[in-house]
Amino acid sequence: EPEVTQTPSHQVTQMGQEVILRCVPISNHLYFYWYRQILGQKVEFLVSFYNNEISEKSEIFDDQFSVERPDGSNFTLKIRSTKLEDSAMYFCASSIGGQKTGELFFGEGSRLTVL
Amino acid sequence: AQSVTQLGSHVSVSEGALVLLRCNYSSSVPPYLFWYVQYPNQGLQLLLKYTSAATLVKGINGFEAEFKKSETSFHLTKPSAHMSDAAEYFCAVKGQAGTALIFGKGTTLSVSS
Repeated sequence: EPEVTQTPSHQVTQMGQEVILRCVPISNHLYFYWYRQILGQKVEFLVSFYNNEISEKSEIFDDQFSVERPDGSNFTLKIRSTKLEDSAMYFCASSIGGQKTGELFFGEGSRLTVL
Repeated sequence: AQSVTQLGSHVSVSEGALVLLRCNYSSSVPPYLFWYVQYPNQGLQLLLKYTSAATLVKGINGFEAEFKKSETSFHLTKPSAHMSDAAEYFCAVKGQAGTALIFGKGTTLSVSS
């Protein structure tokens, strides 16, 4: 069964360092998403990506964040200069289309720890 | 703006007992509602979704949810809990603007023998 894969599963970094989280969405999906979950808090939407551009983003997704689809398979989230409060589980998701009722398929998450 | 509230961060039941996980939504338009489950060390998996067709929605693994507009609720139930149901459960609503989901805080379900 096709699945969304994320790497790394866990990354520890120093404050101020750049981090890139990688995702391989399901191959025939057209919409891609990043969510995060700070420990004990809600799963929060960060950004959605369609047709090689951001289609929607939340207030959390500020200038420190960027997304890219560098080739036909990978979808990356970059955090330019990490802060302590960026420590969270980051989930990538994809969906086959942008219909309101479309199901999102999630990866297992990448846990980011900023020291 | 759309939002969901999950009542109870942790629910404990005995094997064979009824499972009831509560979710209330806030939406200015007819909502699209979802329940996702996350098993340990796995991603979020769709359990079921409400898309304005039948108000009682059946999902995988024997779970179902009923959309009640008068109560703005979408509670998840299962008649008889199994040990394998132990997981984190998330209620979500489709955002008004686009395709993203807005999640609740999650409820951890524990099942004891």
